[in-house]
Formats: sequence, C-alpha cells, structure tokens
Amino acid sequence: EIVLTQSPTTMAASPGEKVTLTCRASSSVSYMHWYQQRSGTSPKLWIYETSKLASGVPNRFSGSGSGTSYSLTINSMETEDAATYYCQQGSSYPPTFGGGTKLELK
Amino acid sequence: EVQLVETGGGLVQPGRSLKLSCVASGFTFNNYWMSWTRQAPGKGLEWVASITNSGGSTYYPDSVKGRFTISRDNAQNTLYLQMNSLRSEDTATYYCTRRGNPWYFDYWGQGVMVTVSS
Repeated sequence: EIVLTQSPTTMAASPGEKVTLTCRASSSVSYMHWYQQRSGTSPKLWIYETSKLASGVPNRFSGSGSGTSYSLTINSMETEDAATYYCQQGSSYPPTFGGGTKLELK
Repeated sequence: EVQLVETGGGLVQPGRSLKLSCVASGFTFNNYWMSWTRQAPGKGLEWVASITNSGGSTYYPDSVKGRFTISRDNAQNTLYLQMNSLRSEDTATYYCTRRGNPWYFDYWGQGVMVTVSS
C-alpha cells in the first residue's frame, strides 16, 4: 500500500501570506486529490486529479506535482482557509490518505 | 443538490454488530460507485469499503475485510455497511461518500458516530 506523508503536520499563516502544503508518496502515483476539513465538519473534496479545483473552491488555491511529490498552494491566506487538509491517492489500490496538515490562522 | 444522510450509529459492545445506512439524493444513485470512509476521534481519514454502481463487486482494506460488508439497494437509493465482530479500534465517525473517477470521494455525508466499548 502507498503511504502518503504530509508536511508540515501543523502550521500557522497570517492573512495574505502564501502557503504551501506538501504530500509525498512512498511510490509514484498518477494523481493526487486534496480535501479540506474545517473543525467539526465533514471533509470536502477540494482539489482533484492534482490540479483541478472542486466546485466552489476559490482560485487562490492551486495544486501541482507529479510522481511522488505533490503540493497544495494558497496564494494569499484568508481566515476561512484555516482547516485541516488531507491528501489522498487513488492510483494504486487500496486508496490511502495522508495524515493531514492542520493550517491555523496566525 | 447532492445529499448523503447516514443513520444507524451508536454505542456497541466489542464483538457485537451494527448496520449503518445512507440515503442518497440529488443524483442518479445507480450511476455511481459508493464508499464508506471513517475517521477515528482526533485522527485522520481511512477508506473502509467501496461498491460498484450495480453492487456486483465490493472492495475492502485488510483492516475490515471479513468483518464488514458493504451493500446497496438502488431502488431505494440506499447504501449500507454491515459491521460484525466490532473492535475498539473501529470507533470512529463513518462517512458515506460518493466515489469519483479516478478514485476520489467527491461528496460526503454528515457522518455517523460508532463507539465500540464495553
């Protein structure tokens, strides 16, 4: 099974700051998907197939990467972006999730 | 609007069984694979089971294989998860999820809590 390692585990960013979250896979994968989970709510699909924004996701978010290294970038941090972000691969069975990055507002 | 509404959670003793249900609306249910994904308290996400749109094939990780059974009733737009021989490590919020292709989860229910404890 492919293990996904997210870094950092926790971070804080100020409004307007650029943020980059990283997800590394133990073996090469074709795509990476990302989910946002705000406190006390269900996860939401945020980015799929590495770089496609899910419906309603602000365009300050972007995704990139290939092989074993993927990232989610927020161009300019906003208050509502404080949440935990999980990466997930579905290229190799079974589908697996990373441990998450908790992004806090500074 | 896609909606997934889970029911059936609760407190159950180790070794006992529980069955979760998920009623889907807002999309053509029998066109989509469906899944269950869980989250232990304060922990990350874990895929639990998936079923093809027809119900003809099912998939499980090793952690629940042989104990959990996913099924669906396309006439009732309902997904099920039968959980047997429950263990304390099965304590989690269970989410009904719609599977997109290539294997992501594009809609999630509100979740239902399952607590396995004596």
